[in-house]
Amino acid sequence: EIVLTQSPGTLSLSPGERATLSCRASQSVSSSYLAWYQQKPGQPPRLLINGASRRATGIPDRFSGSGSGTDFTLTISRLEPEDFAVYYCQQYGSSPLYSFGQGTKLEIK
Amino acid sequence: QVQVVPSGAEVKKPGASVKVSCKASGDTFTSYYMHWVRQAPGQGLEWMGIINPSGGSTSYAQKFQGRVTMTRDTSTSTVYMELSSLRSEDTAVYYCAGGFYYFDFWGQGTLVTVSS
Repeated sequence: EIVLTQSPGTLSLSPGERATLSCRASQSVSSSYLAWYQQKPGQPPRLLINGASRRATGIPDRFSGSGSGTDFTLTISRLEPEDFAVYYCQQYGSSPLYSFGQGTKLEIK
Repeated sequence: QVQVVPSGAEVKKPGASVKVSCKASGDTFTSYYMHWVRQAPGQGLEWMGIINPSGGSTSYAQKFQGRVTMTRDTSTSTVYMELSSLRSEDTAVYYCAGGFYYFDFWGQGTLVTVSS
């Protein structure tokens, strides 16, 4: 069973700073099948990145994804006030067929 | 793309069953595999299963095997998720989401509360 572990659990930063969020898989994940989501309170998640590095439609270019194998990263180059939220990584392909990391909360410092 | 409208909140007693739905509009209903993902209060996301609206085939997470049933009605462009033998730990927001390798779009979710 693939387990996705996100770190840190909470990241405290200020607007304008750079955020780096990590997602580590217990087994290798195909880059094609690694995605990132943003979730704000009271809202459903929103797809940010698919295929490890492809921005979804309408996602600003300050969001970027990278990585392969077992280590993946979501980077937000310059934080805007609306970027403070919870971020999840998700994989497809191994038991369970789909799974999520436990999330990283990005909070204002 | 597809827009999905969830059914309303439910309150159920332990041991009961609940059936929630998402009605799709916009793009072709059968173009997107549909998933159910739940989120307990203050917790993360948990994938429950997938249904192919075109043929109706399903695949469920092992955790929910035997307790969950996903169906669809192509005449009304609606997908359903029924969860039986409810317990307090099933209290959560239940989202439908569309896509295959990842979840391109999400409904607003249905809150299911299990309480005696």
